[in-house]
Amino acid sequence: GENVEQHPSTLSVQEGDSAVIKCTYSDSASNYFPWYKQELGKRPQLIIDIRSNVGEKKDQRIAVTLNKTAKHFSLHITETQPEDSAVYFCAARRTGNTPLVFGKGTRLSVIA
Amino acid sequence: GAGVSQSPSNKVTEKGKDVELRCDPISGHTALYWYRQSLGQGLEFLIYFQGNSAPDKSGLPSDRFSAERTGGSVSTLTIQRTQQEDSAVYLCASSKGARATGELFFGEGSRLTVL
Repeated sequence: GENVEQHPSTLSVQEGDSAVIKCTYSDSASNYFPWYKQELGKRPQLIIDIRSNVGEKKDQRIAVTLNKTAKHFSLHITETQPEDSAVYFCAARRTGNTPLVFGKGTRLSVIA
Repeated sequence: GAGVSQSPSNKVTEKGKDVELRCDPISGHTALYWYRQSLGQGLEFLIYFQGNSAPDKSGLPSDRFSAERTGGSVSTLTIQRTQQEDSAVYLCASSKGARATGELFFGEGSRLTVL
């Protein structure tokens, strides 16, 4: 089955700086890569996703990149703000009757 | 309801007891997942239901764990003979279908504490 590795486990940045979280996956057939954000005490929510036919996707201050050859994808947050502080999870999945597998999460702290 | 509903929100039990956790997915969602989140840890996949297909049970940590989904809607996760290491938040999520790009909508979770 799919295995997703995520790094770093914790990340602290100054407000206004950029943050980058990286993930690798094992199943070369995986073709969907979402990112979920979980604020303290709340449920995870989808913030952005990318499909395997796209190399990069951007939505305001967040962007995701995908390198299928290397089997890794990254989340980039620019101009970080205190409300970006949360745990971020990457995930991967292939088409069909298969589950979405998550990485272990990155706890991002944005220091004002 | 408008979202995924889970009950109970909190459960404290004694070691060795059985517990049942319930998930009511969003109406019309054919896919249903159970994940486990231990304190400060990631989202550990447990089991996945998709429509009428046989569930993917590959994530269940032991035979003490089982889950059912009746009528393609409500699901129950059962943990028999609970152990202290079973203490965690159990999250249920549902999505519209078998498409790989279906967004998962999570419930608030059931926090299980085994004394």
